[in-house]
Amino acid sequence: QKEVEQNSGPLSVPEGAIASLNCTYSDRGSQSFFWYRQYSGKSPELIMSIYSNGDKEDGRFTAQLNKASQYVSLLIRDSQPSDSATYLCAVNIRGSSASKIIFGSGTRLSIRP
Amino acid sequence: GAVVSQHPSWVICKSGTSVKIECRSLDFQATTMFWYRQFPKQSLMLMATSNEGSKATYEQGVEKDKFLINHASLTLSTLTVTSAHPEDSSFYICSAPQRDSNEKLFFGSGTQLSVL
Repeated sequence: QKEVEQNSGPLSVPEGAIASLNCTYSDRGSQSFFWYRQYSGKSPELIMSIYSNGDKEDGRFTAQLNKASQYVSLLIRDSQPSDSATYLCAVNIRGSSASKIIFGSGTRLSIRP
Repeated sequence: GAVVSQHPSWVICKSGTSVKIECRSLDFQATTMFWYRQFPKQSLMLMATSNEGSKATYEQGVEKDKFLINHASLTLSTLTVTSAHPEDSSFYICSAPQRDSNEKLFFGSGTQLSVL
């Protein structure tokens, strides 16, 4: 089982609709979860971080965390064409000597006008 | 947010040569930096964790003699790809976490390496 799993997509959503991105993780002890956005040929940029169960909202973005189900999601409201990118779920995994951030394979999101 | 500078942005080299990639934290000190590799349309794969003043920690399957990591100061980590081969062609990205935690990674701009 991969440490962090995502549906690779592509996920196509009409402009103005809600895009829903999902992620599961294997380490029950993980406490920190992140969503990054990556445009082609660029480095990832942090969109959201979440540490507690429940929802966390920031503008058009809402991150949801359910530690019991080992599930993290990202909702994008009022999707815009500029939201078209690959979205990476990242989880802080405890290693043998230190923790490290492990990324999922990413979900390609396409917002169609 | 914090700034991480990575150079060069892209490099083309002949097979068998070595390439050094630099990663600098510009406005903060980073005792730890992470090096990732990303192949086209794939996710970031953690290669190693560099630790200031001590040896790097490599992930399983990453050859430490091929990917030399040096973290000589609190603001600079380097990755040297030794005797590069075409299969080493990839996008290499460094990152540094917020101070005193492995949270909220700040990424360099990445280095696209093409080995001919």
